[in-house]
Amino acid sequence: NAGVTQTPKFRVLKTGQSMTLLCAQDMNHEYMYWYRQDPGMGLRLIHYSVGEGTTAKGEVPDGYNVSRLKKQNFLLGLESAAPSQTSVYFCASGKILWNEQFFGPGTRLTVL
Amino acid sequence: AQKVTQAQTEISVVEKEDVTLDCVYETRDTTYYLFWYKQPPSGELVFLIRRNSFDEQNEISGRYSWNFQKSTSSFNFTITASQVVDSAVYFCALSDNHHSGNTPLVFGKGTRLSVIA
Repeated sequence: NAGVTQTPKFRVLKTGQSMTLLCAQDMNHEYMYWYRQDPGMGLRLIHYSVGEGTTAKGEVPDGYNVSRLKKQNFLLGLESAAPSQTSVYFCASGKILWNEQFFGPGTRLTVL
Repeated sequence: AQKVTQAQTEISVVEKEDVTLDCVYETRDTTYYLFWYKQPPSGELVFLIRRNSFDEQNEISGRYSWNFQKSTSSFNFTITASQVVDSAVYFCALSDNHHSGNTPLVFGKGTRLSVIA
């Protein structure tokens, strides 16, 4: 089992560019989450999903969109990247909502 | 709104010392869950424990123990006989009843623990 994987691992964008981060899990988990981690801020929940075809907002959803077309994948999109979105992005999945979460290795995104 | 405070930004201890990481939370709900996660230097996040608000029993797992006190809204984490491999950033998190307007899961800002050989 690969667990939770994230693609890409690193990315540099220019302001205004768009990109999609892919999260995949092979544990058949219903619940998936996207976080961002900034120095001194801890982790903040961006969006989450309670099942295929459903998404919901977390603490800091502005500037991001998500989709969960397949149970195993959770996509995070940035339509027009801004320097404030420079961060490390973590995806997680879990069997029970708001219980133990399994995290991916993270994606380091820099927006110039 | 809910909030998690980890007042200790960084802690350094010498190997074999005991160390306690503090976590204080705020919530208006009577049903909630508390978590601890570990983030070693490699960057991944590792789940350590989940505790619900109705279970105030302290928990011990090897060198790790957790002290949950509702009276002081605290969920502290103690490492006994610390080792260099315990060096990491530790996060406390809270999930409550998710009333409208609440964020479903909130993390503290983390405590960086350095264990020196």
